[in-house]
Amino acid sequence: DAGVIQSPRHEVTEMGQEVTLRCKPISGHDYLFWYRQTMMRGLELLIYFNNNVPIDDSGMPEDRFSAKMPNASFSTLKIQPSEPRDSAVYFCASSPPWTGVNEKLFFGSGTQLSVL
Amino acid sequence: DAKTTQPNSMESNEEEPVHLPCNHSTISGTDYIHWYRQLPSQGPEYVIHGLTSNVNNRMASLAIAEDRKSSTLILHRATLRDAAVYYCILRDMVRSGGGADGLTFGKGTHLIIQP
Repeated sequence: DAGVIQSPRHEVTEMGQEVTLRCKPISGHDYLFWYRQTMMRGLELLIYFNNNVPIDDSGMPEDRFSAKMPNASFSTLKIQPSEPRDSAVYFCASSPPWTGVNEKLFFGSGTQLSVL
Repeated sequence: DAKTTQPNSMESNEEEPVHLPCNHSTISGTDYIHWYRQLPSQGPEYVIHGLTSNVNNRMASLAIAEDRKSSTLILHRATLRDAAVYYCILRDMVRSGGGADGLTFGKGTHLIIQP
């Protein structure tokens, strides 16, 4: 299994531009999570999906952020317009079907976003 | 989920055992103890988890205190590749509404391995 695949690995853009981050979860996993990591705030959960449906987006910082999951094998996180304070590493993670016992998350390698 | 407390950083020598502590004095009876680690420039990866009994796997061992108010992640023979940030996370197995809803990561322990 290739694991969770994120693209691009690095993205440098200018303030005001639209940024789209992409994620392919592990096949068979029905949960998908988007996290953001900064030095100041650590790892923050932004939004998560179950069976392609957004369940909780309370961590999304503001309306400039949006996430979609059009099918079980693809998700995007879009920032429009981007601002310098959005600079961070964005991680996607997936998890197998809920067993009622515990969760086990599998993370991608992340996208390092720099907004100039 | 209940809160955990970990040291900010620890240092150990290569090929020696490492004991990473985690305090969780407000743990509830349905909280699982999870450990993840994050190697430099990578996403977090699962290490081990347990509820009451000590657990072993190929990566590490988890020792859980009898009162469950603390736990220790044990790396039996640290290598330079074990240098990472280690996160101790409590996860309630009984969630209102059911289903997974993500893990809440704290600041973790930055483990430094000296050659």
